Amino acid sequence: AQSVTQLGSHVSVSEGALVLLRCNYSSSVPPYLFWYVQYPNQGLQLLLKYTTGATLVKGINGFEAEFKKSETSFHLTKPSAHMSDAAEYFCAVRGANFGNEKLTFGTGTRLTIIP
Amino acid sequence: NAGVTQTPKFQVLKTGQSMTLQCAQDMNHEYMSWYRQDPGMGLRLIHYSVGAGITDQGEVPNGYNVSRSTTEDFPLRLLSAAPSQTSVYFCASSYSGSAGANVLTFGAGSRLTVL
Repeated sequence: AQSVTQLGSHVSVSEGALVLLRCNYSSSVPPYLFWYVQYPNQGLQLLLKYTTGATLVKGINGFEAEFKKSETSFHLTKPSAHMSDAAEYFCAVRGANFGNEKLTFGTGTRLTIIP
Repeated sequence: NAGVTQTPKFQVLKTGQSMTLQCAQDMNHEYMSWYRQDPGMGLRLIHYSVGAGITDQGEVPNGYNVSRSTTEDFPLRLLSAAPSQTSVYFCASSYSGSAGANVLTFGAGSRLTVL
């Protein structure tokens, strides 16, 4: 079984400020973790993923996330927010075992950028 | 490459009507899935398939039916539409098995309203 909790359904930051979107997961097997972004009226696009290896993963558009097993967290950060970052962000988890392709999503965090 | 194509983009139904949401992918992905997206609830898995002739239920399968006769197509059928099925539906596909390749590609979505 697996689940994802995203803390904060809405986050607002000023342009140029740090972006921090929180994600905690639960998984009965070692997890693979993903962040997806959804721009208005579009489907979801992959931002970054953690499967194995380095726990700090870098994604597109300057985003990065760190897998912390001890804290069961995979928080998404960006040092300096840009207006184009306004979107909804989803954290997702699947089990790291063959045949377990089902991806479980969190409820999403809507990011607003204040000019 | 067209990626994942969903039709129709918009549909209005009356309670009790049936319809099929179409999903086609041209990437030779083994894994295909349907999600529904509702405000504050993130994406919830309806049904999924790991290959032609194989389907399984996700988190919210009631009221929906699927089949997978070819690798490319994965239609979602609403048997008798209810207002609770008003939602945005996303089809997504990926390669199967290898976690490194297990990145879902999403369609643009189908917005369904049931009156």
